[in-house]
Amino acid sequence: AQTVTQSQPEMSVQEAETVTLSCTYDTSENNYYLFWYKQPPSRQMILVIRQEAYKQQNATENRFSVNFQKAAKSFSLKISDSQLGDTAMYFCAFGTSYDKVIFGPGTSLSVIP
Amino acid sequence: NAGVTQTPKFQVLKTGQSMTLQCAQDMNHNSMYWYRQDPGMGLRLIYYSASEGTTDKGEVPNGYNVSRLNKREFSLRLESAAPSQTSVYFCASSEGDSDYYNEQFFGPGTRLTVL
Repeated sequence: AQTVTQSQPEMSVQEAETVTLSCTYDTSENNYYLFWYKQPPSRQMILVIRQEAYKQQNATENRFSVNFQKAAKSFSLKISDSQLGDTAMYFCAFGTSYDKVIFGPGTSLSVIP
Repeated sequence: NAGVTQTPKFQVLKTGQSMTLQCAQDMNHNSMYWYRQDPGMGLRLIYYSASEGTTDKGEVPNGYNVSRLNKREFSLRLESAAPSQTSVYFCASSEGDSDYYNEQFFGPGTRLTVL
């Protein structure tokens, strides 16, 4: 069975510092996609970043970047220059097709002023 | 362009009551999804619709039914609500191109409490 694990239920970081959220997954598929979604207190789910498994280059989106280690089945999210607005629940997700997206349990991130 | 909308935002039911959660998208997406979110468990797929006229079960379909009314609308029905269905429900949509995975766009969620 395909699973997504986020081993850090809660994390905190000082404003302007860097934080890394961990995610591991298990699959026998070779072609797949990995995602990080952000859910702020407003509850709205927002896609932060996406990585295609066939791409070796790590995805980046402004202050957000990933460290994708395919052999280790690891997909961590690094947030640089943390801002108060980054306070949210972060979900790692894995998908092999449009109907099979599996979400991890989430990591609650608090940015401290 | 409202994206994905859901109604209602909050609902309290008594055990055994029925209700329908409504979802609509204005992005001309082919695929639509219903998830439930429970603490410590992420989002779990209840049902999805790959295209108008089709629906399929997800990971946790028991106790639910869905209807893809047209391309825009995808409703979720609880025929006889149970306390175990207390959750936050999210509707999502995506372009649905099977050649590659599309980003899913989410609605604001419905918080449902079953007493």
